Amino acid sequence: DTAVSQTPKYLVTQMGNDKSIKCEQNLGHDTMYWYKQDSKKFLKIMFSYNNKELIINETVPNRFSPKSPDKAHLNLHINSLELGDSAVYFCASSQIYRRYGYTFGSGTRLTVV
Amino acid sequence: KQEVTQIPAALSVPEGENLVLNCSFTDSAIYNLQWFRQDPGKGLTSLLLIQSSQREQTSGRLNASLDKSSGRSTLYIAASQPGDSATYLCAVRGEGTSGSRLTFGEGTQLTVNP
Repeated sequence: DTAVSQTPKYLVTQMGNDKSIKCEQNLGHDTMYWYKQDSKKFLKIMFSYNNKELIINETVPNRFSPKSPDKAHLNLHINSLELGDSAVYFCASSQIYRRYGYTFGSGTRLTVV
Repeated sequence: KQEVTQIPAALSVPEGENLVLNCSFTDSAIYNLQWFRQDPGKGLTSLLLIQSSQREQTSGRLNASLDKSSGRSTLYIAASQPGDSATYLCAVRGEGTSGSRLTFGEGTQLTVNP
């Protein structure tokens, strides 16, 4: 199946831990994104990579570090997790050419206890 | 800064009713607008993508319109079914240096009652 897939689907961890979320797309898109959906269900962009180059870096704590080993993968590493990091994190992909739409993954629900 | 507003925030209708969801955006300099559906605990499913040069798109019982100059879009759902119950999200892709990002509205939570 052509899709955006992210792992894990659920992540429960203690405060202060470091965790990673992985994302892969097989759609041949050249741009990938991380979005955060907060408790009020509002979606906001965090990062965007185009062909492994960071092109969008929103006001996000530097505890969050994205890494793109190639244009089909975009991972999110989070250091020193805090209670406020609890949210659903969505990976998405598209083409840099703006007439294209976005395809989203199924999300990773992160709970920090 | 682009802001997207969706009205109503929640909607409950009986099965079979036709309904309209509204989306407005503050900056008309957009490339396209995309409607998504999100089921509880699930990801986002793309429903319709309208380019800035288009006025509407149709898929089955769904029809989305776009009036770029006035900053408005509507999603029309015909003959609603209980399976249509979900949160519907509107998102715009802006022009300019930030053109690669989607800006979302807060969504309309739709419940279709049997």
